[in-house]
Amino acid sequence: SQQGEEDPQALSIQEGENATMNCSYKTSINNLQWYRQNSGRGLVHLILIRSNEREKHSGRLRVTLDTSKKSSSLLITASRAADTASYFCATDSTSGSRLTFGEGTQLTVNP
Amino acid sequence: EAGVTQFPSHSVIEKGQTVTLRCDPISGHDNLYWYRRVMGKEIKFLLHFVKESKQDESGMPNNRFLAERTGGTYSTLKVQPAELEDSGVYFCASSRAVVGGYTFGSGTRLTVV
Repeated sequence: SQQGEEDPQALSIQEGENATMNCSYKTSINNLQWYRQNSGRGLVHLILIRSNEREKHSGRLRVTLDTSKKSSSLLITASRAADTASYFCATDSTSGSRLTFGEGTQLTVNP
Repeated sequence: EAGVTQFPSHSVIEKGQTVTLRCDPISGHDNLYWYRRVMGKEIKFLLHFVKESKQDESGMPNNRFLAERTGGTYSTLKVQPAELEDSGVYFCASSRAVVGGYTFGSGTRLTVV
């Protein structure tokens, strides 16, 4: 089943602006995580939010989780050119340990 | 602690050839996972090892892919024979616990020409 669907698929903003990416999923989860992939290379873990949490902050990142709507959002404030990357949400379900990723959002921050 | 290490970082092979990717997990992590992202699409699960045993290999696309984890340490993923659609980035991750706490490697970019 498709899970971790994200929107928008692509987002282009100017440096200093905020970027918001959304993710939806379909099954019950233990955790939801956000990752970043730079230039087609490795995955970098950004933040994990547990199913009993509603909001979490880490530096310029703010993640929300609404389990009733099965959705999450990632907000990057005061964006920088170095934030240009693909961003993925990933869920691990209550029935297993593997992560299910969405298609990702390609964020471009223009200097 | 050292992170998850993947070799090679980039591989270019011809269609029909064989390629072996390697993943060294974090020492003490019993759980090892392979994922891949092909054609710029979503990242998909391939399989999960617990120590040397395959816990879940439901994501392996076909029998051209063979994963091993002898001795429960490093893992290899062999593609034989490689096809054009196998091009993409192959990620390995390890964790101590089954739920959460994943650490991903930097990935192997495979290009099949």
